[in-house]
Formats: sequence, structure tokens, C-alpha cells
Amino acid sequence: RKEVEQDPGPFNVPEGATVAFNCTYSNSASQSFFWYRQDCRKEPKLLMSVYSSGNEDGRFTAQLNRASQYISLLIRDSKLSDSATYLCVVSLHNNDMRFGAGTRLTVKP
Amino acid sequence: DAGVIQSPRHEVTEMGQEVTLRCKPISGHNSLFWYRQTMMRGLELLIYFNNNVPIDDSGMPEDRFSAKMPNASFSTLKIQPSEPRDSAVYFCASSDRDYKNIQYFGAGTRLSVL
Repeated sequence: RKEVEQDPGPFNVPEGATVAFNCTYSNSASQSFFWYRQDCRKEPKLLMSVYSSGNEDGRFTAQLNRASQYISLLIRDSKLSDSATYLCVVSLHNNDMRFGAGTRLTVKP
Repeated sequence: DAGVIQSPRHEVTEMGQEVTLRCKPISGHNSLFWYRQTMMRGLELLIYFNNNVPIDDSGMPEDRFSAKMPNASFSTLKIQPSEPRDSAVYFCASSDRDYKNIQYFGAGTRLSVL
């Protein structure tokens, strides 16, 4: 079993749609959780951290369920510029980050 | 700040040649990471340094790969001899001691070994 698993997609949605990505992780001792975004042929960039109580940043909402070892990312009112690959990242301890393979999103006009 | 700087951006070489990838981390960051990304395997951590010291190199594929960090502002990843299966995008990332889990990536080096 992979340490971090994501649905690879692709997700093709119209502008304005709400889309949700899921991620599961295998190590229950994991301590920190993140979503990174990677545009085509670019480097990964931090989108947001994921906190136990859930957190929101504008149109983006991240949730963590430690009991189920599950992380989610919800994007509301999707924009064309949201098209990218979204990487789920789980960290056991400082400097030990495990990346999921990514979920590809395409937002269409 | 200029961010993490990697060079070259693209490298095309022939099997058996030595390849050296370079990275300049963000000034003040004390941790540096080398990753490899392929379609098949995704993003894999190869090695990371803390205060210029290699901490975990368990991700380095084999002896053909080596990495150094002679000072806080420079690191190299060397492949000798290179093989076609080494073709990938190699990313360098750095992080700050107070925010270790937030890694900032360079633009990557796209390596093709023919």
C-alpha cells in the first residue's frame, strides 16, 4: 500500500463548479498535512496546510479526519486558473514529507 | 528573495556521461532537499541536508547518485554514470528552521539521458 494515496483523476469540471479531492495516508503517526499545487511543467507550491479542526482559505477548504486517516480539499466556484495537479502531502516529522501522486484538475469554460 | 535557484533548467546527455545538477537554496534556510519526479513514480525524496549535513539519503537510488552541500548556499546532485532510466525532473527545495514543513521548490532540472 502506498503511504499517500490520491485519485489521479483527471477531474474535468465547468467554471463555477464545486470539486472535492480526497487523500488517504497509511501511517497513523503522521503529524502534519498539506496540499500543494503543481502547474504543468512547473514546481510544486504550497497551497495550504491542513489543521485538525479544518481550515478555509477563500474558495478552498481543507479537512482532516485522523480516525479515518483521510484528508480532503474542497474548491468552490472553480476558476480556469485552478486547473493544475493537487498534491496531498503528509509528514511524519520535520523534513520527512511524503507526497501523493497528485490529482489532476481541469476547469473548462 | 529570488527563491530556490536550480541549474541547468534542461540537460540532455548520453548514457554513461556524468551529470551535475546545482541548487542554491533560499538565503537563511537551513534544510535542503533533492527530489526526483517521474510520471510512473511521482515525486520521490532522494536526500536531504540539515545545516549542510546529509541527514537521510535512503532515497538515493544507487551508488551512481551522490549529493554534496559544501556550504549553506550551494548543493550539487551528481549522477555518474548516467542511464536512460535516470531521465526525470529533479527538484531542489529548501525550508526554514522555524517552518520546517513548508518547503519551497526550485523550478527543477529536466534531465534526458539518451
